[in-house]
Amino acid sequence: QVQLVQSGAEVKKPGASVKVSCKASGYTFTTFYIHWVRQAPGQGLEWMGIINPSGGSTSYAQKFQGRVTMTRDTSTTTVYMQLNSLASEDTAMYYCGRGLIVADIWGQGTMVTVSS
Amino acid sequence: EIVLTQSPGTLSLSPGERATLSCRASQSVSSTYLAWYQQKPGQAPSLLIHGASIRATGIPDRFSGSGSGTDFTLTISRLEPEDFAVYYCQQYGRSLTWTFGQGTKVEIK
Repeated sequence: QVQLVQSGAEVKKPGASVKVSCKASGYTFTTFYIHWVRQAPGQGLEWMGIINPSGGSTSYAQKFQGRVTMTRDTSTTTVYMQLNSLASEDTAMYYCGRGLIVADIWGQGTMVTVSS
Repeated sequence: EIVLTQSPGTLSLSPGERATLSCRASQSVSSTYLAWYQQKPGQAPSLLIHGASIRATGIPDRFSGSGSGTDFTLTISRLEPEDFAVYYCQQYGRSLTWTFGQGTKVEIK
C-alpha cells in the first residue's frame, strides 16, 4: 500500500544537526512532491519546505532558509530533511506529506527533542 | 504572505450537533488551493477536503466544505464521537509554499 515511513525519534543537543528520513513505497516515487511540516508540543502545524523527488528541486519557508536542507535518494525512494543549529524551539514532531497542493498521505512523524 | 485565521479556537459541542468552522484568508485564495485536515491526538494530519469543497477519498458526507475568496467554512453536519479533533485549513501559495491556519479544536461538551 501507499505509505511514507519516517525514521525514529532523535534527541540532540543545542547546536547540533538532525537528519530525518521519509521512505516512500507503494507508488512511483518521482511523481509526487514531498512536503515537510513540523508541530511543536501543543502547537499547530508549521510548513518547512518541499522537495520534488524527480529533479531534487526544493523550496523552503523563509524562516528555515539557510538552516534546512531537503534531499532525496531515488535509489532508495527516500527523502531527507536536515535541520542545522538546533535550539530548544526546534523540539517538535516532524512530518513528511505526499503531494503538491495538498498531502493525501503522511508519514507517522518523527519526534526531535533538543535538550542539553 | 497569506495569513489564514481560523475561528473559533475551540468549539464545545455534543455528539449529534452541527459544527461550523471558519477559515479567513488575509488575501483572496483560489478555491482550488484551499484544503482542510483533521488531526487526532498522537496522529499525523489527515486530508478531509481539498479544492475547498471536494471530500477526500473515504471521507463521510457529513463533512462539507464551502466558501470562496477570503472566507471558507468546514461544516460537520452531525458530530460523531470520532470527529472530536483539531481541524486545520491549509492554503497552497506561490513558489510551492503552504500556509496553515492555527487550528480549531472541536471538543465534547
